[in-house]
Amino acid sequence: EVQLLESGGGLVQPGGSLRLSCAGSGFTFSTYAMTWVRQAPGKGLEWVSAISGSDGGTYYADSVKGRFTISRDNSKNTLFLQMSSLRAEDTAIYYCAKGIGPGIAVALTPWGQGTLVTVSS
Amino acid sequence: DIQMTQSPSSLSASVGDSVTITCRASQSISTYLNWYQQKPGKAPKLLIYAAPSLQSGVPSRFSGYGSGTDFTLTISSLQPEDFATYYCQQSYSTPHTFGQGTKLEIK
Repeated sequence: EVQLLESGGGLVQPGGSLRLSCAGSGFTFSTYAMTWVRQAPGKGLEWVSAISGSDGGTYYADSVKGRFTISRDNSKNTLFLQMSSLRAEDTAIYYCAKGIGPGIAVALTPWGQGTLVTVSS
Repeated sequence: DIQMTQSPSSLSASVGDSVTITCRASQSISTYLNWYQQKPGKAPKLLIYAAPSLQSGVPSRFSGYGSGTDFTLTISSLQPEDFATYYCQQSYSTPHTFGQGTKLEIK
């Protein structure tokens, strides 16, 4: 069974940093694109960042570009999202999701259970 | 960025009804259109990918249609477990934007 388990969320002050992790199991992690999607409390889904499973290319939403860095450690089947210069508007549940193929132009399934990031003083 | 607009934003229907949700892209996205279902407190679940393709394990009462800029998700013979929020997403170009969601409620 394919599973994704996020960790690393929590309360952080504005301007602070946090690193999220997403451990994958049940599939050949290195060959799939992976994506982070967030959902602010009571709001819709926002695509944040993706990393290709074919060439390792990385992609970001304008709202996080220059502040967030996506990476992966294929030897540990783990996806990361390094977040810095955090703002109140980054408060959200962060989901990681597996692409249905190696390229990023694909649908996402499954999704992890999410990890909550709260940016507040 | 490609804007995705869903309509309606909310919808009331009864068990056994058929409903259609529309998603419009601000530019052509071919068939790079996906549909997700989200229930309260849960992660989204993929229903339809690449516009008409039904994800494995998803009931056949869910169907997707469209290409270019206009897409629909139809749920025939609504079941109690179908009452949820539905999102479309384009995966044609980054950022892979989502629609604002359609909340399907029991009448």
